[in-house]
Amino acid sequence: QVQLVESGGAVVQPGRSLRLSCVVSGFTFGSYGMHWVRQAPGKGLEWVSVISSDGSKIDYADSVKGRFTISRDNSKDTLYLEMNSLRVEDTAVYYCAKMKTRLAYSCEYWGLGTLVTVSS
Amino acid sequence: DIVMTQSPLSLPVTPGEPASISCRSSQSLVHSDGYSYLDWYLQRPGESPHLLIYFGYTRASGVPDRFSGSGSGTDFTLKISRVEPEDVGVYYCMQALQSPPAFGQGTRLDIK
Repeated sequence: QVQLVESGGAVVQPGRSLRLSCVVSGFTFGSYGMHWVRQAPGKGLEWVSVISSDGSKIDYADSVKGRFTISRDNSKDTLYLEMNSLRVEDTAVYYCAKMKTRLAYSCEYWGLGTLVTVSS
Repeated sequence: DIVMTQSPLSLPVTPGEPASISCRSSQSLVHSDGYSYLDWYLQRPGESPHLLIYFGYTRASGVPDRFSGSGSGTDFTLKISRVEPEDVGVYYCMQALQSPPAFGQGTRLDIK
């Protein structure tokens, strides 16, 4: 069955960096685009970033553009999110999600999430 | 960017009764293939979100047929024919047509 397992969440101070990982199984990772979506405590879902199956197309939410970098290693079935210059408002559970098709941005499968807390 | 607006934001429902949630997009979600790229997700308490409906009306694998989606263009509706206790949670619509994808604010369904 499809599994997505995020890791790397931690408590960090504002201005520091963190790298999240998402290891997948149960599907051909290199054939699908992938998302990062976050959820601040008690809040709704916020889309963060998307990367195409081959890594050639990438986009970010305005709130993270210039600070976060999405990447993938198809040989390791792993998605990454490099987070720099972290802010208090980046505190959230970060989910990785598999795109359903090449065309639609639908999030077909989700991981359990990893918690990032930015606090001094 | 496309903005998604849901209503109501809170929905208390008696078990066995129907429920309906509306979602409106600021731009048409109709793709050139004719489908409306509108998803519905449910996030149960303490769980990750999961996909319920895509293309506005197609149920994802394993989703009970008491859930139905309708609408096209900019106006969409999620209906639950008879609410069951396991339907409690927050429902989100999301436009899947273009980047950046965008979620609605969420509608919290709970049992009366």
